[in-house]
Amino acid sequence: EDQVTQSPEALRLQEGESSSLNCSYTVSGLRGLFWYRQDPGKGPEFLFTLYSAGEEKEKERLKATLTKKESFLHITAPKPEDSATYLCAVHIYNTDKLIFGTGTRLQVFP
Amino acid sequence: DTGVSQDPRHKITKRGQNVTFRCDPISEHNRLYWYRQTLGQGPEFLTYFQNEAQLEKSRLLSDRFSAERPKGSFSTLEIQRTEQGDSAMYLCASSLDRAPLHFGNGTRLTVT
Repeated sequence: EDQVTQSPEALRLQEGESSSLNCSYTVSGLRGLFWYRQDPGKGPEFLFTLYSAGEEKEKERLKATLTKKESFLHITAPKPEDSATYLCAVHIYNTDKLIFGTGTRLQVFP
Repeated sequence: DTGVSQDPRHKITKRGQNVTFRCDPISEHNRLYWYRQTLGQGPEFLTYFQNEAQLEKSRLLSDRFSAERPKGSFSTLEIQRTEQGDSAMYLCASSLDRAPLHFGNGTRLTVT
């Protein structure tokens, strides 16, 4: 069965303390991997799409990387406004839906 | 581009009542998706439309759930005979073909 697992479930960082979030996947055929950010009471906001192993994408303090089995979202020198839930999702062949992980709740405190 | 719009934002209903939610996608997007999200979980796929055709439905979508997208524009999701287990955030998303999904801010349903 196609599965997406995110770790850790929750992460508390001090402002400026860099870290990484993990998304591991077991799927029949990966078409693409997506990262979203979700603030409380709001819908997910698109961050990145990765299509092949070795690919990297960057946006401000965030960098996403992809291997054949997992993806990492690296957060460099985070700020309190980076606090949110980060969701990983996969798009697999033979379907047009995204399969989401359960997310990592990130808190960055001053 | 005003984004994906969902109405209402919140709905409280009694068990056994019917409810209907509306989603207005980004105007040029041909695909429209419905997801459900419960607390602490990621969104779960319910169904999706390409233009007016409903192309895929999840096993989660019991016969009490029905979705429509008349004329390939807005969409409605109806839940009949609501149960407490239906309490969740219902998210709508749209996309142009296989481009990334753009989500609305959801309708939070509480069944008492």
